Parts: sequence; C-alpha cells; structure tokens
Amino acid sequence: DTAVSQTPKYLVTQMGNDKSIKCEQNLGHDTMYWYKQDSKKFLKIMFSYNNKELIINETVPNRFSPKSPDKAHLNLHINSLELGDSAVYFCASSQEGQKFNYGYTFGSGTRLTVV
Amino acid sequence: LAKTTQPISMDSYEGQEVNITCSHNNIATNDYITWYQQFPSQGPRFIIQGYKTKVTNEVASLFIPADRKSSTLSLPRVSLSDTAVYYCLVVLPTGFQKLVFGTGTRLLVSP
Repeated sequence: DTAVSQTPKYLVTQMGNDKSIKCEQNLGHDTMYWYKQDSKKFLKIMFSYNNKELIINETVPNRFSPKSPDKAHLNLHINSLELGDSAVYFCASSQEGQKFNYGYTFGSGTRLTVV
Repeated sequence: LAKTTQPISMDSYEGQEVNITCSHNNIATNDYITWYQQFPSQGPRFIIQGYKTKVTNEVASLFIPADRKSSTLSLPRVSLSDTAVYYCLVVLPTGFQKLVFGTGTRLLVSP
C-alpha cells in the first residue's frame, strides 16, 4: 500500500491551462505539504496544511491554490500555467506531536511539463 | 534553522564504506540533524536522525561530535543501489516547520 500517493505521475500541458494535482496519504498523519523541485534539483516548500488548515504559505504565486478537503488529502490547483512552473511537485505528510524519529513521508512526485 | 553545507558529489565503489560530512555551524540547542535519501524520480526518504554522539539503524550510522557543528552519515559497504542524492537537514523535534533542503550530496557508486 502506497503511503503517500500522487496523481498524475506525469502531466504535460500548454501554457495558460489550469491543472490540478491530487495527493492522498493513508498514514493517519495530520499534516501535509507540497514541495517543488526545480530543474536544478532544489527542493522548496510551497504549502503546509494541518488538519485542513493552512499553516505554511511560502512566497508562491496566487495562481497556485492548495485545497485540503480532509486531513488525508491535499490537492494543488494551478491556474494559467507558465513555462516556469515546469518542475516536479512532491506531496509529503507528517504527524505533528509524534516522536520525530520517523520524519516526513514523501510521495513519488508529479512531473509537470508546461509547453 | 541552521544552514547546512555538504559536498556536491562523491564517488565510491561497491563494497566500500562511504562517509558524507555535513557542516551546520549555527545549529541551535534544540535542533536535531536529519538525513534524507532521494533516488531519481522519487521523493526524499528519511534515513536517520540524531542529536548527539552516534545513532545507528539498519541503513546507516550518524556520527555527531560534541560541539554538534558537523555530522557524518556513514553508509557501510555501499552497493549500486545506494546511488542517490543525500540531504543533511537541521530540524526541530516538534512543532510545525518546513524542511529546508540544501543542494545535497550526489553519491555515485560504481561497480
């Protein structure tokens, strides 16, 4: 069973389109994240939700809107896609308050290519 | 959180022990040191975490000197499948936080 699953795995779309990436975790964690890994392989946090509440919102364009319908799901909607949005987007989860020895669990990523 | 510095890349051969050192000069009293591993086309995977001295698990060992300004991830007898990027992070043990990833160390294991 996949702990953190993202769909789709690959996404190729044209500039100006709107697209969504979905994430689900079955670990019972209460905190979920979106990270972006650009072409230079730098991983940067975008958003974090705890029990459906937004707790971390980095400097991300307003075109990116996360939504958490429940604590097991965190989706990312991107409007008016630009070439610079091309990257790999990783979803992750963790349990707040848990003894921290287990770290964060990441999904396998969604490779977004904007053409 | 303290900034971390680690070598950009390392090369090794199968069966060798690999030690990757990370510098975190400004580590705070409450910070822990955590290492993640990332294979191509996969998300980072938690390897090991420690506060001081030595921590060992089935994957690696983590050595942290008394001043905690650096740490060394030790991978015993590496295999080809250990080829990956290894990230050293400084984290708080609890509380909301964001993992701040540096450039990582790209380890290439050759036959």
